[in-house]
Amino acid sequence: DAEITQSPRHKITETGRQVTLACHQTWNHNNMFWYRQDLGHGLRLIHYSYGVHDTNKGEVSDGYSVSRSNTEDLPLTLESAASSQTSVYFCASSELTSWNEQFFGPGTRLTVL
Amino acid sequence: SQQGEEDPQALSIQEGENATMNCSYKTSINNLQWYRQNSGRGLVHLILIRSNEREKHSGRLRVTLDTSKKSSSLLITASRAADTASYFCATDDGVGQLTFGSGTQLTVLP
Repeated sequence: DAEITQSPRHKITETGRQVTLACHQTWNHNNMFWYRQDLGHGLRLIHYSYGVHDTNKGEVSDGYSVSRSNTEDLPLTLESAASSQTSVYFCASSELTSWNEQFFGPGTRLTVL
Repeated sequence: SQQGEEDPQALSIQEGENATMNCSYKTSINNLQWYRQNSGRGLVHLILIRSNEREKHSGRLRVTLDTSKKSSSLLITASRAADTASYFCATDDGVGQLTFGSGTQLTVLP
């Protein structure tokens, strides 16, 4: 069965370190998204991609970067982790058109000390 | 900024009762979607309603959309303990992105 996976599921790191969160989907979806979820804020869009080599900034992109070298993967990199980036991160994917639902991964809980 | 805002933030009901959650948004939309999130899990899509639709049903779910009031409601009928979760509305502005509200935490008591 097709799925979307994230790794690691839990990560503790220190301020200033570079961290990369992995997202892999086997739906063959063109669209992929990264969100962060914090209490009281719902989900906020960090970066998104509409296809290979395409990346776009979302609402809260500062301090994050992504690259899309193939259809299946969209890794999220925190260049220099900050305590304000402690959050739960979700990856999602969807088919090409905007009429379609997004499929979410299980999330990565990141703690920056 | 968030497009959708759910109301109430928390709702507690008895099993068998109906649960109604509301969502308000600010700008024009292409469609509105509802998602469920169980504790510690990712979001799961429940239902999508297009901007030219007023009501949609899926099993025990009923969604309404009033574009003149920029609001939507999700009704879960005959609720079960397994319906305990957070529910989010999300608006699609037509360019493939979703903007999520802050969610309603539903607790169904057995």
